[in-house]
Amino acid sequence: GAVVSQHPSWVICKSGTSVKIECRSLDFQATTMFWYRQFPKQSLMLMATSNEGSKATYEQGVEKDKFLINHASLTLSTLTVTSAHPEDSSFYICSAQWDRGQETQYFGPGTRLLVL
Amino acid sequence: GESVGLHLPTLSVQEGDNSIINCAYSNSASDYFIWYKQESGKGPQFIIDIRSNMDKRQGQRVTVLLNKTVKHLSLQIAATQPGDSAVYFCAENGVGSGNTGKLIFGQGTTLQVKP
Repeated sequence: GAVVSQHPSWVICKSGTSVKIECRSLDFQATTMFWYRQFPKQSLMLMATSNEGSKATYEQGVEKDKFLINHASLTLSTLTVTSAHPEDSSFYICSAQWDRGQETQYFGPGTRLLVL
Repeated sequence: GESVGLHLPTLSVQEGDNSIINCAYSNSASDYFIWYKQESGKGPQFIIDIRSNMDKRQGQRVTVLLNKTVKHLSLQIAATQPGDSAVYFCAENGVGSGNTGKLIFGQGTTLQVKP
């Protein structure tokens, strides 16, 4: 149980284009999903908290207009990197919680983004 | 400020030996802790968790110990196997995260298992 998927697993795009990453909870309903980015040999950096049916809460320093998050259903959240630039190249990982009373986060496999 | 850190960035152990990965946390108000395992190119995988009303919790080949007095968390892996090679992260829920469910992650320890 508690399986989270991400799509795509990797993507290469040209600078200036937008990329959408999907995060799905496959066998449970996730009231809250989180988006992280991770650089090589570093820890996870939380970008935003996504609650179903409401606006995402972004961490300090994360541009909400650049990283658009939509949590339209209890099993799907999307992260769109708009006007991507090479510095946006990173490993993006989502996680999901059953509900706020269950603090355990279950992670997806991650999406490798390379912006040329 | 609030932080969760690890004492050693890399731990090398012989196959079959027991491994102990340590974590220090600074937020005494944290009441929930998790250990994750992350293999190269993959997302973190839940290993075991513990609440602050417990000192010890055991899973399959893993044990988590919590010492609230010195704000120390450890993960013990029995009979370490090559498949245990990965980066291990500790995480805490921190102050004020009860309403958001956020976790604060440590920097990670790389476990290398020598055959």
